[in-house]
Amino acid sequence: ETGVTQTPRHLVMGMTNKKSLKCEQHLGHNAMYWYKQSAKKPLELMFVYNFKEQTENNSVPSRFSPECPNSSHLFLHLHTLQPEDSALYLCASSQYADTQYFGPGTRLTVL
Amino acid sequence: QQQVKQSPQSLIVQKGGISIINCAYENTAFDYFPWYQQFPGKGPALLIAIRPDVSEKKEGRFTISFNKSAKQFSLHIMDSQPGDSATYFCAARREGAQKLVFGQGTRLTINP
Repeated sequence: ETGVTQTPRHLVMGMTNKKSLKCEQHLGHNAMYWYKQSAKKPLELMFVYNFKEQTENNSVPSRFSPECPNSSHLFLHLHTLQPEDSALYLCASSQYADTQYFGPGTRLTVL
Repeated sequence: QQQVKQSPQSLIVQKGGISIINCAYENTAFDYFPWYQQFPGKGPALLIAIRPDVSEKKEGRFTISFNKSAKQFSLHIMDSQPGDSATYFCAARREGAQKLVFGQGTRLTINP
């Protein structure tokens, strides 16, 4: 595997389900990010992790819970989501504040 | 102050033509302006970037024009090809910052 990988690529869940998104970067970077991409809206930064430590949380609802066990892996735990949370969730990584490299995203649908 | 406004939302250009996408920002602390290209089913990928100490940067058929006084920058795609059909995002950030502020995106279609 190369670059940034994300699993699953598609996810359908009910509002009462609990699911997790996984991201892995194979670039040796020290920073990882979660973004939300909704139709006709700018990419929204959700969380930033540097060296496994969360350094930014852009007022994201607590129903989204990130986890970064090491510099190569990032998870987004989801619970009791709303239909408006349906979107493409993108993971990215970078070396400090250099170029961000994005994964292909997980298309999430909340029923 | 944190917004980056991008236009147009969608653009159709004939093969061989010039595609132009514009962005404007308010925050004068921004000093790094990348453009990302996104194909369906893929994540955004860095296409070209500029810093405000130059007014233009060219890489192959892609050129960024930067107007610091107007707080505007634009992407020009010369000799546009069907393979350039994608969604393009402009973005901006402060020196050393990790937070990128993105525009809304432009869906570009190049007709053969």
